[in-house]
Amino acid sequence: DAKTTQPPSMDCAEGRAANLPCNHSTISGNEYVYWYRQIHSQGPQYIIHGLKNNETNEMASLIITEDRKSSTLILPHATLRDTAVYYCIVRPNTGTASKLTFGTGTRLQVTL
Amino acid sequence: SQTIHQWPATLVQPVGSPLSLECTVEGTSNPNLYWYRQAAGRGLQLLFYSVGIGQISSEVPQNLSASRPQDRQFILSSKKLLLSDSGFYLCAWRLQGTDTQYFGPGTRLTVL
Repeated sequence: DAKTTQPPSMDCAEGRAANLPCNHSTISGNEYVYWYRQIHSQGPQYIIHGLKNNETNEMASLIITEDRKSSTLILPHATLRDTAVYYCIVRPNTGTASKLTFGTGTRLQVTL
Repeated sequence: SQTIHQWPATLVQPVGSPLSLECTVEGTSNPNLYWYRQAAGRGLQLLFYSVGIGQISSEVPQNLSASRPQDRQFILSSKKLLLSDSGFYLCAWRLQGTDTQYFGPGTRLTVL
């Protein structure tokens, strides 16, 4: 799986958009960008994934640059409950029983 | 919709005692199932995965074992716990042919 680089921590005011960047300059053509988050003492939660087009669901939006070397996860209106560690993962969507490898992620702190 | 359950939520066990953690998935059939361990402040380590009843693959040598007696049940066991077995144990499932894994709430194990 391609390596990803994320800032170790970010702050965001409640109600504002949280924009979490991820660099994946060695991504290959068949690799998807996945985002998970882990709230303290809970299991990781799937957020969104995409290949090259921007994606949006009820939780977040994923913006992938045209060269696919970086992406941004956007939480449009952050709440205190969005405080968590956010993981960006790049891997092929092969459907195989392969493991997920989480890096250190970005610790997002949402404040009042 | 699919749900994944783990129990117990927390467990404190003495060194040398046995272990049995259970994971069940509802709302899907023939999922791939995974056991991960997350040590404090560390990433996820895949321990076992299963593509079907009675089919277990081990990722790392250890004193733990896994079993899948039913399609949607995955059990993690040990005959004698070590101090190093302490951690946050996560079960995950994945629909075959897709690549998104969904995690359970986890079991926090402390071995004293």
